[in-house]
Amino acid sequence: SQKIEQNSEALNIQEGKTATLTCNYTNYSPAYLQWYRQDPGRGPVFLLLIRENEKEKRKERLKVTFDTTLKQSLFHITASQPADSATYLCALVNSGGYQKVTFGIGTKLQVIP
Amino acid sequence: DGGITQSPKYLFRKEGQNVTLSCEQNLNHDAMYWYRQDPGQGLRLIYYSQIVNDFQKGDIAEGYSVSREKKESFPLTVTSAQKNPTAFYLCASMVVGGTEAFFGQGTRLTVV
Repeated sequence: SQKIEQNSEALNIQEGKTATLTCNYTNYSPAYLQWYRQDPGRGPVFLLLIRENEKEKRKERLKVTFDTTLKQSLFHITASQPADSATYLCALVNSGGYQKVTFGIGTKLQVIP
Repeated sequence: DGGITQSPKYLFRKEGQNVTLSCEQNLNHDAMYWYRQDPGQGLRLIYYSQIVNDFQKGDIAEGYSVSREKKESFPLTVTSAQKNPTAFYLCASMVVGGTEAFFGQGTRLTVV
């Protein structure tokens, strides 16, 4: 069956360091992969998208990589700040047919001042 | 302002009653989605729709029903057949082939 795995344990890092979050998937052939940020009691907010034929995307302090051979995406936040503390979700959008968007469980990031 | 609106924000119902959650968008998006989120859990897909009068079951459709009579609206009914309906429900919309999903602020349903 299709599965998306994120490290469900919280990730605690020191302010200024780089946070790296992992998203692994099985039995998918996604057209692209998205990363979202979710704050408590709120809906997710889109951050970045990377397509199956792209290796890396950047936006300000954010970087996403996508390895379709390993079936893995890495999400990096450089020079992390306490305001980056939130839950980060990866989502896969299927290729072909109906546009199904499936989310991972998310990783809670805590940036410690 | 363009956006996606869910109402109400909090909803309380007695066990055994059906309840309908509203989701409206004025973004002119074709695709709409309903997700359920439980504490400490990710988003699980209930139903999704890409065109009017057509919708697909997601991963946890049992005990739920939807309709898509208008492009702008995608209401979700939580029926009495849903065994654990208490949860945070999120609605989203997206352009087909687009880059991102836009979410509403969510409805927190509590069944007592």
